[in-house]
Amino acid sequence: AQSVTQLDSQVPVFEEAPVELRCNYSSSVSVYLFWYVQYPNQGLQLLLKYLSGSTLVESINGFEAEFNKSQTSFHLRKPSVHISDTAEYFCAVRRNSGNTPLVFGKGTRLSVIA
Amino acid sequence: DAGVIQSPRHEVTEMGQEVTLRCKPISGHDYLFWYRQTMMRGLELLIYFNNNVPIDDSGMPEDRFSAKMPNASFSTLKIQPSEPRDSAVYFCASSSSGSGNEQFFGPGTRLTVL
Repeated sequence: AQSVTQLDSQVPVFEEAPVELRCNYSSSVSVYLFWYVQYPNQGLQLLLKYLSGSTLVESINGFEAEFNKSQTSFHLRKPSVHISDTAEYFCAVRRNSGNTPLVFGKGTRLSVIA
Repeated sequence: DAGVIQSPRHEVTEMGQEVTLRCKPISGHDYLFWYRQTMMRGLELLIYFNNNVPIDDSGMPEDRFSAKMPNASFSTLKIQPSEPRDSAVYFCASSSSGSGNEQFFGPGTRLTVL
């Protein structure tokens, strides 16, 4: 079984400041890792994913996450946030074999302050 | 591409009534997932299908919940009878075969049981 811990339920940050949203996971098997974003009253959208290869993955809107196997972490970072980044962010994992369901963390609400 | 379609977007009903949630996956996708989102428990898998066949329904809370997928383009999640603790946002997601493939989420159905 897999589990995901997002250490911060809420993160307020000023516009143009850097941010890190933390994610740790536990699994007895190899996993794929994901970050999803949920804007108010909308569904979840994939932000980025780690499947294999380079441990640093990037999204098109400036977010990046680094897979750290020894620390079982997949923290999400952005060097300079915008008001439009205000949303809820979910870290998720699933087994890396087959097309299995996602196991989600509880989410981190990012609030960007002008 | 229309994405995953869910209906209704909002449902308010009284305790004891039957509720049916509907989902149309992305054309060509052969996996369909139902998740539930609550404040207390976060996002949890209820059930998922592959090629219209239920693969894992261990997340379905109890016998009051049932899900069907009569064909590749339609799935329903039924609650009978509904209870106030069923109030949540229910998401449907679909994906294509391939272990690294993304799950695409619908906008969700917000269910309120009075």
